[in-house]
Amino acid sequence: QVQLQESGPGLVKPSQTLSLTCTVSGVSISSGSYYWSWIRQPAGKGLEWIGRIYSSGSTNSNPSLKSRLTISVDTSKNQLSLKLTSVTAADTAVYYCARVAPQLEHGFDIWGQGTRVTVSS
Amino acid sequence: DIQMTQSPSSLSASVGDRVTITCRASQSISRYLNWYQQKPGTAPKLLIFAASSLQSGVPSRFSGSGSGTDFTLTISSLQPEDFASYYCQQSYSSPHSFGQGTKLEIK
Repeated sequence: QVQLQESGPGLVKPSQTLSLTCTVSGVSISSGSYYWSWIRQPAGKGLEWIGRIYSSGSTNSNPSLKSRLTISVDTSKNQLSLKLTSVTAADTAVYYCARVAPQLEHGFDIWGQGTRVTVSS
Repeated sequence: DIQMTQSPSSLSASVGDRVTITCRASQSISRYLNWYQQKPGTAPKLLIFAASSLQSGVPSRFSGSGSGTDFTLTISSLQPEDFASYYCQQSYSSPHSFGQGTKLEIK
């Protein structure tokens, strides 16, 4: 079955760069059938769409993060990654990667378990 | 950007109740509206896509309706496992924003 697994440091210092990886198993990212997305959720709060990427490397990003955000894909490793620069406490959240299914009106049909990131010195 | 507004923010109900959650978009999104359920400490789960289509494996007591700017999620007869938070999300245009969520609690 298809599985997504986020990984990365749980603690990042303010002003530094947050780097996360999502490893996909059970389906090839390069198949071109899906988009792949990042979503985050601060503790006790709602969900925020960060951005998405297609196997070709084309991306859409949330304008509120766009100047600090890079989403990329490594098809050889079947991974997608997120880099967020100049982080502050406001970037503290659980970060999820998710599969975007065009056939389901671009709903997120499969999610990783999430990884908690804290921004603190 | 399209703003998604859910109501109510929280709701208390009993097992067996019929419950409706509303989601309103700041502009027309046709039927590009998805609903998710999230239980504490877990990732969200897709319930409804395209406003009214039931995702595979989701019980039929869940239903969705609406188009344009106004949408509803209805649970016809609440079960104990339905007490959770619910989010709407538009996939009409980037950024694919979420509503702020509705927390469904046991009365």
